[in-house]
Amino acid sequence: EVQLVESGGDLVQPGGSLRLSCAASGLIVSHNYMSWVRQAPGKGLEWVSVIYSDGRTQYADSVKGRFTISRDNSKNTLYVQMDNLRGEDTAVYYCARDMVAPAPREFYYYMDVWGKGTTVIVS
Amino acid sequence: EIVLTQSPGTLSLSPGERATLYCRASQSVSGSYLAWYQQKPGQAPRLLIYGASSRATGIPDRFSGGGGGSGTDFTLSISRLETEDFAVYYCQQFGTSPRYTFGQGTKLEIK
Repeated sequence: EVQLVESGGDLVQPGGSLRLSCAASGLIVSHNYMSWVRQAPGKGLEWVSVIYSDGRTQYADSVKGRFTISRDNSKNTLYVQMDNLRGEDTAVYYCARDMVAPAPREFYYYMDVWGKGTTVIVS
Repeated sequence: EIVLTQSPGTLSLSPGERATLYCRASQSVSGSYLAWYQQKPGQAPRLLIYGASSRATGIPDRFSGGGGGSGTDFTLSISRLETEDFAVYYCQQFGTSPRYTFGQGTKLEIK
């Protein structure tokens, strides 16, 4: 069974740092694109960051320069290092497998496996 | 950045009825890039539809997506609503920057 389990969420003061982890089983993190998505309390979903299988990374403008996505292949774990945290970073953070699959004329893009999330409160 | 607008914000229906949810993009979007998710309180999102109209693994055929090809208007239909279907639904599109954007969600509630 494919499973993602996030951890590391906590209460942190503004300007502080936190590192979230996403341990994977049933899939190899380094062979997949992996994304972080967050959801502020009572709000919708916001894509945060992706790490591609070749190690390239991409970030939402709202976190660029403050968050760093990475992975540890030996531990099959995805991370996001969050620095200089702000109140607006308060959210449940989900990791997800970011799929790119062949389509008739191009590619499909979607996230098919999600963890249960970990809560970050900046206050 | 392409903006996705979902309507209605809230949809009140009874079990057994049919639901139609809408997702409108601010610019033309390839149907291959459009997905739908279901989220229940306290749970992670669950992939329902990708490529605008392809059901994800394990999703019952009561769920169907429309608006394939390229365009701005997409739909998610749920026939014969069951109590487990009452949740919040999000559409999502793939772009370049940001990689993904989501609609604001439609809450499907029991009437």
